[in-house]
Amino acid sequence: NAGVTQTPKFQVLKTGQSMTLQCAQDMNHNSMYWYRQDPGMGLRLIYYSASEGTTDKGEVPNGYNVSRLNKREFSLRLESAAPSQTSVYFCASSESRGYNSPLHFGNGTRLTVT
Amino acid sequence: SQQGEEDPQALSIQEGENATMNCSYKTSINNLQWYRQNSGRGLVHLILIRSNEREKHSGRLRVTLDTSKKSSSLLITASRAADTASYFCATLPGTASKLTFGTGTRLQVTL
Repeated sequence: NAGVTQTPKFQVLKTGQSMTLQCAQDMNHNSMYWYRQDPGMGLRLIYYSASEGTTDKGEVPNGYNVSRLNKREFSLRLESAAPSQTSVYFCASSESRGYNSPLHFGNGTRLTVT
Repeated sequence: SQQGEEDPQALSIQEGENATMNCSYKTSINNLQWYRQNSGRGLVHLILIRSNEREKHSGRLRVTLDTSKKSSSLLITASRAADTASYFCATLPGTASKLTFGTGTRLQVTL
């Protein structure tokens, strides 16, 4: 099984450009998450989807939008990229809601905004 | 704000030695999870320990939880070079619905 697949792996944007980060999982998990990882900050939750058809804001949602396209796919969109959004973005999924089951992570998208 | 904080921030040991990492947190929790991250990769789940559990094992890993001290430890026995990675604790506070990650311990295992 592929697990959680993220595309692209790397991306460079100019300030103001938009892009969508794609995430798909093949484990039939109900919940999916988007995190960003910055040096010295740990992982911070951007948005999550507890189940198909629902999305909720996390700790740092400003400047992002998400779409739970179906049970497998959860995309993250930057409408107008800013240098502060330079980060490594991780998608994760879990079998159940409420963080009582382990998170499975993709290998990340490394985004640089110049 | 950080709920879980790992200690030490960095640890360097020789292959075959044991490695111990600690995690302290501030409020009561439902569960605490440990993850490993190899350089350039995503996080990999190691162990989930619930608030009513005191110790769990998985292979060479041993996790303890002391809710009275609001702390947990991860012990890796007989370490290997392949254990070189960053290790994160993540806590699920009792009154919140979000998992909060610490900033990690960087473990270097040398031959």
